[in-house]
Amino acid sequence: ETGVTQSPTHLIKTRGQQVTLRCSSQSGHNTVSWYQQALGQGPQFIFQYYREEENGRGNFPPRFSGLQFPNYSSELNVNALELDDSALYLCASSLEAADNSPLHFGNGTRLTVT
Amino acid sequence: GNSVTQMEGPVTLSEEAFLTINCTYTATGYPSLFWYVQYPGEGLQLLLKATKADDKGSNKGFEATYRKETTSFHLEKGSVQVSDSAVYFCALRRFSGNTPLVFGKGTRLSVIA
Repeated sequence: ETGVTQSPTHLIKTRGQQVTLRCSSQSGHNTVSWYQQALGQGPQFIFQYYREEENGRGNFPPRFSGLQFPNYSSELNVNALELDDSALYLCASSLEAADNSPLHFGNGTRLTVT
Repeated sequence: GNSVTQMEGPVTLSEEAFLTINCTYTATGYPSLFWYVQYPGEGLQLLLKATKADDKGSNKGFEATYRKETTSFHLEKGSVQVSDSAVYFCALRRFSGNTPLVFGKGTRLSVIA
């Protein structure tokens, strides 16, 4: 059983640039969530995708957007990068978009904005 | 709104010491409660969970009991090992619909030999 994989592992961007982060969900999982973990903080929910549709969003501006593909993999796009976007971005997949379906996390992408 | 408060770290213990990491929550309804662990350079791993009041979650020697009356879910382990050194996150998920996990800020544990 392949777990959640994220790419790239590390990324350095300049303020104002755009970035795309990628996530392959665990086999059989149709729901993907993205979280932002700033240094020394707990993860904050960005949004969730279920069967290619966004079905939940946290308190993040529209320049954070996403996609889910038919194979349930997902992308997180961030436009007009700001210094405060520097963080570990975590992707999590689950079997169904239900409360008792456990989330399986990837190892994250460390984004540094200079 | 929903929130989780956990004790600030870092916590430094000697091997075989007793561990307690406090966690309290605020939530509407009846959330499920979780402890996740994050080892250096890795993502989050589910350590244990409890879905209703008085449930006890346990795994790898760690335990936590869902206490509705005190809105708490404290993590305990009787004898820690060096390999337990990590950051521990308490989290809740409201029991309805497609709701996200709400995390505490994390507690860093260092166990020294």
